[in-house]
Amino acid sequence: SQQGEEDPQALSIQEGENATMNCSYKTSINNLQWYRQNSGRGLVHLILIRSNEREKHSGRLRVTLDTSKKSSSLLITASRAADTASYFCATDAGSNSGYALNFGKGTSLLVTP
Amino acid sequence: DVKVTQSSRYLVKRTGEKVFLECVQDMDHENMFWYRQDPGLGLRLIYFSYDVKMKEKGDIPEGYSVSREKKERFSLILESASTNQTSMYLCASSFGVFGNQPQHFGDGTRLSIL
Repeated sequence: SQQGEEDPQALSIQEGENATMNCSYKTSINNLQWYRQNSGRGLVHLILIRSNEREKHSGRLRVTLDTSKKSSSLLITASRAADTASYFCATDAGSNSGYALNFGKGTSLLVTP
Repeated sequence: DVKVTQSSRYLVKRTGEKVFLECVQDMDHENMFWYRQDPGLGLRLIYFSYDVKMKEKGDIPEGYSVSREKKERFSLILESASTNQTSMYLCASSFGVFGNQPQHFGDGTRLSIL
């Protein structure tokens, strides 16, 4: 299946710093979503950006989408220890039907006090 | 608030057993999904369902089956458990058609097959 690929695989920063994670994908999409997963828990939806949008904000989160480069980025500003988690991008491209999402392997973010 | 509940957080079974993982959602969502998550492999779709009694294979359906007799419940069945099915299993649900809606996840079942 076509999957998004997050970069970097792991990121370690200090509280107050910004964290940027990138996602690349292979085929045309209708939308791209970002999810967070705390250790041992399920995924939580953060933000959805449609293919005709270039940027979207939600609180301290900023997502950009560049369909010409088939890439997206997630920026977390003024990070906190509670932001420590894995972050996944997911696209609706390349799935067996239009219902499912394809997830990347995730970026593991560690925010230290 | 949206709620997806998986019946067990941790489960230990033996090789060859028939294993049932249950998932219930309270949002009246049409779509339900089963994923497995393994280190280094990310989330992989096993099966999904877009309506009662309807099911579609995902990327790794071998060794699994599913049942959706009621809209709110989606069961994953390991017909004859094997050690390579030791994994974290995640259930999710979503509203509407196509992948243009958020998926809501349960907290997962960590399954060990001995």
